[in-house]
Amino acid sequence: AQSVTQLGSHVSVSEGALVLLRCNYSSSVPPYLFWYVQYPNQGLQLLLKYTSAATLVKGINGFEAEFKKSETSFHLTKPSAHMSDAAEYFCAVSVSRGSTLGRLYFGRGTQLTVWP
Amino acid sequence: GAGVSQSPSNKVTEKGKDVELRCDPISGHTALYWYRQSLGQGLEFLIYFQGNSAPDKSGLPSDRFSAERTGGSVSTLTIQRTQQEDSAVYLCASSAVGAITDTQYFGPGTRLTVL
Repeated sequence: AQSVTQLGSHVSVSEGALVLLRCNYSSSVPPYLFWYVQYPNQGLQLLLKYTSAATLVKGINGFEAEFKKSETSFHLTKPSAHMSDAAEYFCAVSVSRGSTLGRLYFGRGTQLTVWP
Repeated sequence: GAGVSQSPSNKVTEKGKDVELRCDPISGHTALYWYRQSLGQGLEFLIYFQGNSAPDKSGLPSDRFSAERTGGSVSTLTIQRTQQEDSAVYLCASSAVGAITDTQYFGPGTRLTVL
């Protein structure tokens, strides 16, 4: 079975500070992992994805994430927060077997607040 | 359009009424997914289409929910005899071929409120 746990439903940082959003996964098969961002009243937008090519993945808007198999983690980071980063962030895992390839299992989301 | 579109953007209905939600995927995308986003349950998978077929309907919460896709393009999610617990944002996503590494592109969602 696949599941995703995002530690911390709310994270607050000051503008310019490091952003760290935590994601741990559980998967019985090799996982493919995604981070999506959702701005108010909008759909989800892909930030980055891990597809086994490289463990350190760089995405849009200066975000990156590192896949650590030993820790079953895929934490999202950004060195310096910007006001425009305020949004809700979702970690997701994609199944690699079964009838629904590509079905996403989402974490509960982390709301990021950036203070000026 | 270039992205996934959904209509209506908002729908308010009375308990017991039927509703239809529409999704227009990105042109050429064969895979289409419906998800539901609610405060209590987070983001939940509902149904997956590959072309016009739905090989996985396991996420549909009850037999009041059904969906179809025609012409390998537009999809309609129908909820019959709506209940208050159906209130949520319904998101549609499409991907090129439904591969496990494909990016899913999401529409803006339909916010359903059942009074």
